[in-house]
Amino acid sequence: DTAVSQTPKYLVTQMGNDKSIKCEQNLGHDTMYWYKQDSKKFLKIMFSYNNKELIINETVPNRFSPKSPDKAHLNLHINSLELGDSAVYFCASSESSNQPQHFGDGTRLSIL
Amino acid sequence: GEDVEQSLFLSVREGDSSVINCTYTDSSSTYLYWYKQEPGAGLQLLTYIFSNMDMKQDQRLTVLLNKKDKHLSLRIADTQTGDSAIYFCAESRGSSNTGKLIFGQGTTLQVKP
Repeated sequence: DTAVSQTPKYLVTQMGNDKSIKCEQNLGHDTMYWYKQDSKKFLKIMFSYNNKELIINETVPNRFSPKSPDKAHLNLHINSLELGDSAVYFCASSESSNQPQHFGDGTRLSIL
Repeated sequence: GEDVEQSLFLSVREGDSSVINCTYTDSSSTYLYWYKQEPGAGLQLLTYIFSNMDMKQDQRLTVLLNKKDKHLSLRIADTQTGDSAIYFCAESRGSSNTGKLIFGQGTTLQVKP
């Protein structure tokens, strides 16, 4: 019954590796998002997709590439991981881009 | 937070009321939100208020919005130990309704028994 689900919940990997985080929502929402929460709990938007189309890209390094195969999924692929990528990544969705956003439980990424 | 400011910490006794304050900058924000984050957990949407309202009540939660001063507050009545968490306010930014949320830095609420 989980509305916005992310996998994996925890991801520990070495610097330089490539990894993906998956997100799925079963709410029938049109808009999906990725946010990054740093070690000080500060949350910042990274990307937003509306009906599989990119609408926000907040000056995120191009090592980060979102992919939306359909409007229920928004995956995040990260190339050449760096120490500074360690954070909690949250996926969210909303009915449309000006409606309340519902968040997943987060993926805790640790770079060794 | 990016132009959304909150105090970092609030400590109250169980049964007291808690008031968490937030100031924002974008007068064109459509909605203002309160999210709750428990340790190690995700963000839970607690409540939200549309910008043409000045108050919203939902059980123990009361949201007050002062648009003139760009001030938002969340009052939790009869605070319980289970209310201990980080509370984030957020504004929806941008007249083009892109859905971009700008978050405050979060207020850690500590409830003492």
